[in-house]
Amino acid sequence: GAVVSQHPSRVICKSGTSVKIECRSLDFQATTMFWYRQFPKQSLMLMATSNEGSKATYEQGVEKDKFLINHASLTLSTLTVTSAHPEDSSFYICSAIPYKYEQYFGPGTRLTVT
Amino acid sequence: AQTVTQSQPEMSVQEAETVTLSCTYDTSESDYYLFWYKQPPSRQMILVIRQEAYKQQNATENRFSVNFQKAAKSFSLKISDSQLGDAAMYFCAYRSAATGANSKLTFGKGITLSVRP
Repeated sequence: GAVVSQHPSRVICKSGTSVKIECRSLDFQATTMFWYRQFPKQSLMLMATSNEGSKATYEQGVEKDKFLINHASLTLSTLTVTSAHPEDSSFYICSAIPYKYEQYFGPGTRLTVT
Repeated sequence: AQTVTQSQPEMSVQEAETVTLSCTYDTSESDYYLFWYKQPPSRQMILVIRQEAYKQQNATENRFSVNFQKAAKSFSLKISDSQLGDAAMYFCAYRSAATGANSKLTFGKGITLSVRP
């Protein structure tokens, strides 16, 4: 149990366009999901906490207008990178908490902006 | 704010040998959770082991065990009988026991473990 999926696994988009990444909890309900960004050989950087039915909580320094998060249901959160630029190219990971203290992670999405 | 420190960026171990990965943390809280996550080349984060701060007994999961020293704020991971599949990046992480906004994880910088055949 406790499976988190992400779609797509890889995406290439042109500069100036928007791209949406989906995060789903497949076998449990998640009132809270998290979005991370990771550069090669580096740690995970928390971008925001996604709460079902309410606005996301963004970490300091993360542009909320660029990284739109929608947690529309108990099993789905989406991250939309708006007006993407090459510097937004990164590996994006989501996670969810099925139990009270463990986060389970999705497989990640590699975004390349050309 | 809590911090997690992994001071060794890389380590190497011979297959079948034992290796210990170090982690220290800083917090003013008394109740919290500590984790070790593994990230292999696939980049899928995998939970290796969890320790509750209120438990004095060190957690163990098969070949993986921790040495939790609460007073010293130290949380090291020992991998016994290392296997080629253990090669990965390992992250130490902290989570407050409080719910709500405090449920996020604080990660260390990670350590890259290589296993020599």
